[in-house]
Amino acid sequence: DAGITQSPRHKVTETGTPVTLRCHQTENHRYMYWYRQDPGHGLRLIHYSYGVKDTDKGEVSDGYSVSRSKTEDFLLTLESATSSQTSVYFCAISEEFGRYTDTQYFGPGTRLTVL
Amino acid sequence: QKEVEQDPGPLSVPEGAIVSLNCTYSNSAFQYFMWYRQYSRKGPELLMYTYSSGNKEDGRFTAQVDKSSKYISLFIRDSQPSDSATYLCAMSALDSWGKLQFGAGTQVVVTP
Repeated sequence: DAGITQSPRHKVTETGTPVTLRCHQTENHRYMYWYRQDPGHGLRLIHYSYGVKDTDKGEVSDGYSVSRSKTEDFLLTLESATSSQTSVYFCAISEEFGRYTDTQYFGPGTRLTVL
Repeated sequence: QKEVEQDPGPLSVPEGAIVSLNCTYSNSAFQYFMWYRQYSRKGPELLMYTYSSGNKEDGRFTAQVDKSSKYISLFIRDSQPSDSATYLCAMSALDSWGKLQFGAGTQVVVTP
């Protein structure tokens, strides 16, 4: 998985609780992304980062926040989890800007269930 | 309406057959086209990458892009049971790096 780890791999939590998912890379890639994958929707971008402390919103960012204090770590936080956030979350990374920027490599995923 | 449409399948083929997958899209600005393979409970892995129009071949895999029809295809020759997976198309525009638009994925089952 291109030197990408995600933790935890599985999590069950209750509505209203905060949840933080971690993505860690050993590739020293500048760009990092968080996606969610739901049946019938494919992968949808939540937030992305183009450098330390540089982040921006994706297509489905409501209810999520992110932080990147080091090149290798990208955190996704659900401030107050809801059942609609039950999903599989994938982290991805890509190399420096250029023609091959959009070649993204994905982590193994985190399966989150919100009861 | 989604920007990228992909038939979810499942598509079942016998071993050795050609698998034909496709996606249609509506955004004429898309320039980068990718195919990812995803095994059950795993992350997607990049299979093929194409810039603009044309064909690209890599072993048993061939990717085609027809920008005039807004249609991309992936062909898998001599399919094997190990090709059983979900195949996702993805694409992005030149000025929106990183913001990939994915299809919903097509599940492929290759039976021995």
